[in-house]
Amino acid sequence: GENVEQHPSTLSVQEGDSAVIKCTYSDSASNYFPWYKQELGKRPQLIIDIRSNVGEKKDQRIAVTLNKTAKHFSLHITETQPEDSAVYFCAARSDYKLSFGAGTTVTVRA
Amino acid sequence: EAGVTQSPTHLIKTRGQQATLRCSPISGHTSVYWYQQALGLGLQFLLWYDEGEERNRGNFPPRFSGRQFPNYSSELNVNALELEDSALYLCASSLAAGYNSPLHFGNGTRLTVT
Repeated sequence: GENVEQHPSTLSVQEGDSAVIKCTYSDSASNYFPWYKQELGKRPQLIIDIRSNVGEKKDQRIAVTLNKTAKHFSLHITETQPEDSAVYFCAARSDYKLSFGAGTTVTVRA
Repeated sequence: EAGVTQSPTHLIKTRGQQATLRCSPISGHTSVYWYQQALGLGLQFLLWYDEGEERNRGNFPPRFSGRQFPNYSSELNVNALELEDSALYLCASSLAAGYNSPLHFGNGTRLTVT
């Protein structure tokens, strides 16, 4: 089955700086890679996703890149704000099953 | 549009009992997924239902089971509860399998086993 590794497990950044979270996956058949944000006590919410036929996707301050050859994908958050503080999960879909990374706790310092 | 709804919000059981958790997907979604989120851990895949059939299950013992009803709502049953079953159980729904569509999560059921 698919195995998704996510790094770092915690990330502290100064407000206004960038944050980068990296994930690797094991199944070369994986073709869909979403990112979810989970604020304390709330449901995970989709913030951006990318399909295997695309190398990069941007949505305002958030961007995701995918390297299929190396089997890794990354989330980039620019100009971080306090409301970006949350746990971020990457995921990879293989055989219709979505496997999640262990999560990255992002703290934005004011 | 109503989101994914789960009930109950909280559930307290004692070891050895059975728990039943319920999920209603977004209207038009036929796939339902169940995940376990233990404290400090990620989301562990439990079960996937599509069009009333169990399509895949994660690495959990058989005492975790469920079903999907004709209206696409779903139920997760956990038998012979153990202390380590204490976790947040999240349900998610998506369009039918094959559309590669995003999962939308509910707020979860917090199960506490004492």
